[in-house]
Amino acid sequence: DIVMTQSPDSLAVSLGARATINCKSSQSVLYSSNNKNYFAWYQHKPGQPPKVLISWASTRESGVPDRFSGSGSGTDFTLTISGLQAEDVAVYYCQQYYSTPWTFGQGTKVEIK
Amino acid sequence: QVQLVESGGGVVQPGRSLRLSCAASGFTFRSYSMHWVRQAPGEGLEWVAVISYDGSNKYYADSVKGRFTISRDNSQNTLYLQMNSLRTEDTAVYYCAKDPTGPWGQGTQVTVSS
Repeated sequence: DIVMTQSPDSLAVSLGARATINCKSSQSVLYSSNNKNYFAWYQHKPGQPPKVLISWASTRESGVPDRFSGSGSGTDFTLTISGLQAEDVAVYYCQQYYSTPWTFGQGTKVEIK
Repeated sequence: QVQLVESGGGVVQPGRSLRLSCAASGFTFRSYSMHWVRQAPGEGLEWVAVISYDGSNKYYADSVKGRFTISRDNSQNTLYLQMNSLRTEDTAVYYCAKDPTGPWGQGTQVTVSS
């Protein structure tokens, strides 16, 4: 199974500041035949289902504010929240869907400083 | 829009069975693989099982292999998870999810307790 490792485990950021979360996979999730990274970022708030923010490593889902951006390729990925808002307080997970089973990072809790 | 609605959760004693359902709408259900994912209290996300678009291929997490069975009825746009020999460690919110990037349903709570 592909192991996903996120850092940090938690993060406290001032309102309006930048938050950066990293994720490393134990093997590449870049599919060479189509040059796509089979990688996503999810936001999970209490009492709600996880919501996909970014798919294919850098494609923002419909309706997701543009302060959320994803970057990286192969084994190293980053989620950036540019200008943290109060409603962004949540746990963020990275996920690979390159191979079965889907695997997730351990989660990064983002709070307001 | 794509909608997934789980049902069938509840409180059950260890060793008993439960069947979860996931009703899908807003997309061509028969064209997509479907997954079950769970989250135990205070824990992260754990993938449980996947079924191919036509039901011909199924894969399970080691933690549920031999006890859980994933299935689907494409005529009814419904995904199922039959859970047998339930253990206390199966207590979790169970989500169904569309391959490859969701969305996910709202989840259904399964509590295994004596």
